[in-house]
Amino acid sequence: EVQLVESGGGLVQPGGSLRLSCAASGFTFSDHYMDWVRQAPGKGLEWVGRTRNKANSYTTEYAASVKGRFTISRDDSKNSLYLQMNSLKTEDTAVYYCARETGTTGIFDYWGQGTLVTVSS
Amino acid sequence: DIQMTQSPSSLSASVGDRVTITCQASQDISNYLNWYQQKPGKAPKLLIYDASNLETGVPSRFSGSGSGTDFTFTISSLQPEDIATYYCQQYDNWYTFGQGTKLEIK
Repeated sequence: EVQLVESGGGLVQPGGSLRLSCAASGFTFSDHYMDWVRQAPGKGLEWVGRTRNKANSYTTEYAASVKGRFTISRDDSKNSLYLQMNSLKTEDTAVYYCARETGTTGIFDYWGQGTLVTVSS
Repeated sequence: DIQMTQSPSSLSASVGDRVTITCQASQDISNYLNWYQQKPGKAPKLLIYDASNLETGVPSRFSGSGSGTDFTFTISSLQPEDIATYYCQQYDNWYTFGQGTKLEIK
């Protein structure tokens, strides 16, 4: 059974940093592109960024709203995905989901349960 | 950036009704369009991929159609468990979601 479990959310002050983790199981993690998607309270879904797989050099892409502040990484030996968030703003407050792409396609076929990040003073 | 416009933003229907949601892309995205269902407090769930393909295990009352810029998502006979918010998502040029359609039972 495919499982994605996020952790690391919490309350952080504006300008602060936080690192989210996503533990994957039930599939060959190293084969897949992996993404972060967020949802502000009461709002819609916003793609944050993704990491390609080893075959595609682990390259990363980001939404304009987070580029230069957020960094996505992965450790295939630990079946884990990470999101390092720096220079946090109040508008980064959201539930952050990790999501698996079907292969390398842009189709999100499995999602974690999400972890809440609150940026507030 | 490709903008995705869903309509309506909310919808109230009765059990057994046929429900239709539309999604319009700001430019041609071929069939690179997915539909997701999100129930309150839960993660989104993939229902339809590549505009018209039903994800494994999803009931056949759900369907999708369209290509280019105009897409349609249909529930042929609304069930109580279908109460949720539905999102379209394009993946022709990066990834963009529609603003969502909140579906309620009348």
